[in-house]
Amino acid sequence: AQKVTQAQTEISVVEKEDVTLDCVYETRDTTYYLFWYKQPPSGELVFLIRRNSFDEQNEISGRYSWNFQKSTSSFNFTITASQVVDSAVYFCALSEAGTGANNLFFGTGTRLTVIP
Amino acid sequence: EPEVTQTPSHQVTQMGQEVILRCVPISNHLYFYWYRQILGQKVEFLVSFYNNEISEKSEIFDDQFSVERPDGSNFTLKIRSTKLEDSAMYFCASSDRAIHSYEQYFGPGTRLTVT
Repeated sequence: AQKVTQAQTEISVVEKEDVTLDCVYETRDTTYYLFWYKQPPSGELVFLIRRNSFDEQNEISGRYSWNFQKSTSSFNFTITASQVVDSAVYFCALSEAGTGANNLFFGTGTRLTVIP
Repeated sequence: EPEVTQTPSHQVTQMGQEVILRCVPISNHLYFYWYRQILGQKVEFLVSFYNNEISEKSEIFDDQFSVERPDGSNFTLKIRSTKLEDSAMYFCASSDRAIHSYEQYFGPGTRLTVT
């Protein structure tokens, strides 16, 4: 069965610090997809990134970067030089290719607070 | 930029009442989803819908729930007889591919409060 674990419930950092949000997943599928979503205080879910199981290249987008390691079943997310606007709950999610509609299984989220 | 819309933004209802939550997915999308998030908890999958029928549903999606695409644009979630534990944020999402992997675009959510 699939599972997504975000062990960090809450993290606080001072503005401009770097922060890494951890995500560990479990799946029996060999083809799967991993996602990160941001949920700001306003409540909507904002898509950040998708990564498929065959692509282990790390990705960087501005201050955001993602480290996908199949060997440890981890898909960690790093924010460099954090800003107050980064304060939100961040969800990691998994979609398995074996499920027809690729519905998402979410982790419990990490609440990030960036202190000015 | 196209977006998923949901109405109402907040619905208050009494226990035992029926509610219908409405969503307008992005127009060229093929897959539609409902998720819910109980306050402070994770987002949970309820149901997916493709080609005018349910593709998958979770254990949460029992006989009290139903979904419908009554016309070419709306996608609705009905709860027949609401319970206190149905209080949550309900998110609609849509995806533009009939195969796996493509991101789901979420609406802003409807907060349902059952009293």
